[in-house]
Amino acid sequence: GENVEQHPSTLSVQEGDSAVIKCTYSDSASNYFPWYKQELGKRPQLIIDIRSNVGEKKDQRIAVTLNKTAKHFSLHITETQPEDSAVYFCAAGSNRDDKIIFGKGTRLHILP
Amino acid sequence: EPEVTQTPSHQVTQMGQEVILRCVPISNHLYFYWYRQILGQKVEFLVSFYNNEISEKSEIFDDQFSVERPDGSNFTLKIRSTKLEDSAMYFCASSEARGGGYTFGSGTRLTVV
Repeated sequence: GENVEQHPSTLSVQEGDSAVIKCTYSDSASNYFPWYKQELGKRPQLIIDIRSNVGEKKDQRIAVTLNKTAKHFSLHITETQPEDSAVYFCAAGSNRDDKIIFGKGTRLHILP
Repeated sequence: EPEVTQTPSHQVTQMGQEVILRCVPISNHLYFYWYRQILGQKVEFLVSFYNNEISEKSEIFDDQFSVERPDGSNFTLKIRSTKLEDSAMYFCASSEARGGGYTFGSGTRLTVV
């Protein structure tokens, strides 16, 4: 089955700097890669997703890149703000399966 | 914006008791899911449900678990005889199509004592 690895587990960046979170996946059939933001005690909220027919997708300060050959995908947050502090989860899924598999999460701290 | 709603928000139960967690998926969604998250850990897949039957389940989803769509709007997760290790946040999710676009509910925190 699919296995998703996520790094780092904790990341601290100065406000205004960029943050990058990286994930790898194992199942070459995976073709859907969402990223979720989870604030303490709340639900995971979809912030951006990418499908395997594109290599990069951007939405304001957030971008996701995908390297299908290497089975890597990354989340980039630019000009970080205090409200970006949260746990971020990557996930992978496919049209073949009725599920998405999550990484272990990255706790992002934005330092003042 | 449409939401997935879950009740109750918090449930405390004695070990060995049965619990039913309730969810109302988004009305035009066809695929329904339960995930759980033990405190501080990752979100784990339990089960997916489509066309009134389980389409996929994980190793966690053993005989103590069952799901049901009793009417056109509710989707429930039943745990027959709760164990201490069932304590977790349980999230319901739904999607319009297979393989993407999940919307998660706000979760039910289950505490087994």
